[in-house]
Amino acid sequence: NAGVMQNPRHLVRRRGQEARLRCSPMKGHSHVYWYRQLPEEGLKFMVYLQKENIIDESGMPKERFSAEFPKEGPSILRIQQVVRGDSAAYFCASSPPYVGPGSMNTEAFFGQGTRLTVV
Amino acid sequence: DAKTTQPPSMDCAEGRAANLPCNHSTISGNEYVYWYRQIHSQGPQYIIHGLKNNETNEMASLIITEDRKSSTLILPHATLRDTAVYYCIVRLITGGGNKLTFGTGTQLKVEL
Repeated sequence: NAGVMQNPRHLVRRRGQEARLRCSPMKGHSHVYWYRQLPEEGLKFMVYLQKENIIDESGMPKERFSAEFPKEGPSILRIQQVVRGDSAAYFCASSPPYVGPGSMNTEAFFGQGTRLTVV
Repeated sequence: DAKTTQPPSMDCAEGRAANLPCNHSTISGNEYVYWYRQIHSQGPQYIIHGLKNNETNEMASLIITEDRKSSTLILPHATLRDTAVYYCIVRLITGGGNKLTFGTGTQLKVEL
């Protein structure tokens, strides 16, 4: 059972370009979460998605950032017109659907991240 | 989700037990305690979670005090590969998803 797959692992973009980060959740997981880790800082929640729906985007910057999780294919985190401050590690996590009180296997599993460098 | 407090760093000798404490004095009755770790910029790795009973799995044991205001993660025989930042997170398990709020964690250094 493959884990959460993120690609690319490393991405270099010039200022002003677009960055697209992909995340394929674990099999059977319908919930996807994106986190950002700036250099020497902790992980910060960005967005939570289910198939075709954004559930919680309270951690997303207001401009230039967007996320989607289509019916088919991976979840995409898109950063338009990147700036040097966007350089960070971006982690995706997935978890199974919640089926009610006493649900087992509720933990989230993380991918290995995409390291974005803006030059 | 309740706030947690962890020591910023700890050292442990290889082969000895590593006991990582966490305070969560404002935890509510239906909030769980989760532990994750992050090994040198890799993706966070789930370790264990519990509500009020002590839990054990192949990686670690989780001891939660009777009043649930603190807990301890125990790595019974620490190895060099256990060097990582360990995060204690308190959260509800609901249909609202698995959003995690990471604090600063404890940097555990396991040495020879």
